[in-house]
Amino acid sequence: KQEVTQIPAALSVPEGENLVLNCSFTDSAIYNLQWFRQDPGKGLTSLLLIQSSQREQTSGRLNASLDKSSGRSTLYIAASQPGDSATYLCAVRVITQGGSEKLVFGKGMKLTVNP
Amino acid sequence: DAGITQSPRYKITETGRQVTLMCHQTWSHSYMFWYRQDLGHGLRLIYYSAAADITDKGEVPDGYVVSRSKTENFPLTLESATRSQTSVYFCASSEWDRGGEQYFGPGTRLTVT
Repeated sequence: KQEVTQIPAALSVPEGENLVLNCSFTDSAIYNLQWFRQDPGKGLTSLLLIQSSQREQTSGRLNASLDKSSGRSTLYIAASQPGDSATYLCAVRVITQGGSEKLVFGKGMKLTVNP
Repeated sequence: DAGITQSPRYKITETGRQVTLMCHQTWSHSYMFWYRQDLGHGLRLIYYSAAADITDKGEVPDGYVVSRSKTENFPLTLESATRSQTSVYFCASSEWDRGGEQYFGPGTRLTVT
């Protein structure tokens, strides 16, 4: 059974720091990996999608890498800002025993960037 | 407005009542999904739909019913609400069969008393 882990569960940093958020998964047989952001009381906003054949994706100050063989993904946030404060979730797309596909989510990491 | 919307945003209902949560998307995405988010469990898939009139169970389907008569709508019905169904419900859509990412609605916070 695929399990997705995000450690630590929470992180508090001063503004301006470069951040590394970690995501690990137990089964390397994934189709893709998606990073989301969730603000309090809001839905999930898709940040980056990395296909299993890709090593990384970039969007603005965000860079996500994927190492399938080691079961790890990293979300790098450059020059963090208070507006980056949110919960960040990663999810892997997998094939179930029944042949369908689904996203398996980590429980998220709550980031606080202090001014 | 373009995107994916959910209604109502907040709902309080009593045990045993039927309640329907609505989801509407304007992208014409083929796939739509319903999740619930609970502390300690994270996000769990309830039902999903690959197209109009095609639906399938996710991880936690018991007590829920879905339908999809039109591509843009995917309502979720709790036939007889229980306290354990108190949760935040999210709808999502995607061009899933093309490897697309999932886009989420703003959620419905449901409280069953």
